[in-house]
Amino acid sequence: DQQVKQNSPSLSVQEGRISILNCDYTNSMFDYFLWYKKYPAEGPTFLISISSIKDKNEDGRFTVFLNKSAKHLSLHIVPSQPGDSAVYFCAVYGAGSYQLTFGKGTKLSVIP
Amino acid sequence: DAMVIQNPRYQVTQFGKPVTLSCSQTLNHNVMYWYQQKSSQAPKLLFHYYDKDFNNEADTPDNFQSRRPNTSFCFLDIRSPGLGDAAMYLCATSPGQGASFSYEQYFGPGTRLTVT
Repeated sequence: DQQVKQNSPSLSVQEGRISILNCDYTNSMFDYFLWYKKYPAEGPTFLISISSIKDKNEDGRFTVFLNKSAKHLSLHIVPSQPGDSAVYFCAVYGAGSYQLTFGKGTKLSVIP
Repeated sequence: DAMVIQNPRYQVTQFGKPVTLSCSQTLNHNVMYWYQQKSSQAPKLLFHYYDKDFNNEADTPDNFQSRRPNTSFCFLDIRSPGLGDAAMYLCATSPGQGASFSYEQYFGPGTRLTVT
């Protein structure tokens, strides 16, 4: 039973446009949320995170939004660049836990 | 540069032949993790060490074992690999509790295991 769902396996976006990647979770006890980016043949690298006490966190072109009532978070990339083409994983922590639970990932392709 | 290193990057083993994957870190982090990731799946946590304390996930098969001889190194031993164990194995670290605490986990590049 998936606790973290990324329902879109893939997404294609034109360069310069906004990319929106979505993630849904089932457990309201999750309290910290992260996005990781993964290129082929490399390990995931941390991108941006948000605590459950916030609803938005911004870092340059990347913004994460958290809607706790809907158990939904999203990653916005504006403007999208070809170098952003990668697989993006949503990951969540439970309170007091060292276990990071990942979604299956969304493959983003930014078309020049 | 501080980093997480995994060797080898690609490993081929025979069905039933024991294999060991290694991970080292120069970050001096307290916590080390091993994940298994199969094609188009989410990385799945197998176990983690907080310093020398070993924490096994409930659904990790007994076929998978781990050793952490010191802060820098952690090994994943697969005692009798089956065809279903072919996957990418990711090692990660995090600082753990204390002044340097961070939720972020730092991943190595992974070892792709093929079982023939």
